Amino acid sequence: GAVVSQHPSWVICKSGTSVKIECRSLDFQATTMFWYRQFPKQSLMLMATSNEGSKATYEQGVEKDKFLINHASLTLSTLTVTSAHPEDSSFYICSAHPGTLLPSSYNSPLHFGNGTRLTVT
Amino acid sequence: AQTVTQSQPEMSVQEAETVTLSCTYDTSESNYYLFWYKQPPSRQMILVIRQEAYKQQNATENRFSVNFQKAAKSFSLKISDSQLGDTAMYFCAFMINTGTASKLTFGTGTRLQVTL
Repeated sequence: GAVVSQHPSWVICKSGTSVKIECRSLDFQATTMFWYRQFPKQSLMLMATSNEGSKATYEQGVEKDKFLINHASLTLSTLTVTSAHPEDSSFYICSAHPGTLLPSSYNSPLHFGNGTRLTVT
Repeated sequence: AQTVTQSQPEMSVQEAETVTLSCTYDTSESNYYLFWYKQPPSRQMILVIRQEAYKQQNATENRFSVNFQKAAKSFSLKISDSQLGDTAMYFCAFMINTGTASKLTFGTGTRLQVTL
């Protein structure tokens, strides 16, 4: 259980175009989803926290007009990279949480998608 | 703000040997979780082990165990009987225990290579 599906797994787009990445919780309702960005050989950096039915909370330094996040349902959050530039090329990973912290027997409170490799040419 | 530091960018260990990955963190919170995640070349984030800060007993999961020193804010991962499949990036991570969803703060990672 606790599967998070992220789509697409990789995408190549031209500079100036927009790209949408989807993050779906397949077998649980996720009131909160997180979007991370990972540059090659670096750590995961939180971009924003996405809450169902409300505006996303962006981390300092992340342009909210460039990285549009929509969490319209309890199972789907989308990240749209608008007017993409080569410097936006990166690996984007989402994670989802079922809403309440389950007992310790449930190992991971956060479930990660498989990530999306974005290349902007 | 919380910070997580992994001082070993790369480590190497021979198969069947034991290796310890270091992690230190800084926080003013008293109730939190600590995690070790593994990221193989597929880049899938895989939970290795987790520790609740209020628990004094160190967590263990098969070949993986931690040495949690709360006063020293240290959380090292020991991998026993290393296997080739353990080759991956390992990230130490911190989460405040709010009772619900909370963000993870990751360290910079340690690249572990298991050799024959």
